Amino acid sequence: ILNVEQSPQSLHVQEGDSTNFTCSFPSSNFYALHWYRWETAKSPEALFVMTLNGDEKKKGRISATLNTKEGYSYLYIKGSQPEDSATYLCASIFRDDKIIFGKGTRLHILP
Amino acid sequence: ETGVTQSPTHLIKTRGQQVTLRCSSQSGHNTVSWYQQALGQGPQFIFQYYREEENGRGNFPPRFSGLQFPNYSSELNVNALELDDSALYLCASSLGQGRDTGELFFGEGSRLTVL
Repeated sequence: ILNVEQSPQSLHVQEGDSTNFTCSFPSSNFYALHWYRWETAKSPEALFVMTLNGDEKKKGRISATLNTKEGYSYLYIKGSQPEDSATYLCASIFRDDKIIFGKGTRLHILP
Repeated sequence: ETGVTQSPTHLIKTRGQQVTLRCSSQSGHNTVSWYQQALGQGPQFIFQYYREEENGRGNFPPRFSGLQFPNYSSELNVNALELDDSALYLCASSLGQGRDTGELFFGEGSRLTVL
């Protein structure tokens, strides 16, 4: 059974601090990894689509890395701001077209 | 704003009833996917439609069915509703299909409660 795990489930970070969380996925049959940010009462919004081992992508204060051999991706947020409060979802896409989402990491930024 | 709209936003049904959820895709996208997010879970893939044909299906029973129209809008139909069907149903449009789906553009979801 394919399973995509995200950790931690939830975290609280002081405004201005940096943070990171993890998405783990089965490395066999891997094709692509997506990260989405989902703010309350809005729709999930794509952050990154990554495919190659060693990929690093950046969008403003948010960046992500991908290790397809060991099956994990890290999402980093530098200098957290209140607007970063959201649930961060990762999804792994496999060569047989399956797409599996993790349960998300709920990030709370404390003022 | 993604340009993907879903309706209705909330609805309540009773066991055994049928429901139809609707989704309009982002302009220029010919692929639409549907996901079910139960409480405390990540979104689960139901199926994908590409140019009006089903193009992949997750582990959902046949009472979950769909349609895609020539304008690429889509419907999700669920027959014989069960209590466990209570969830948020998300629609997402994209340019690609299958493993090349690429970035998903989500709507805000339809929250279904089955009593």
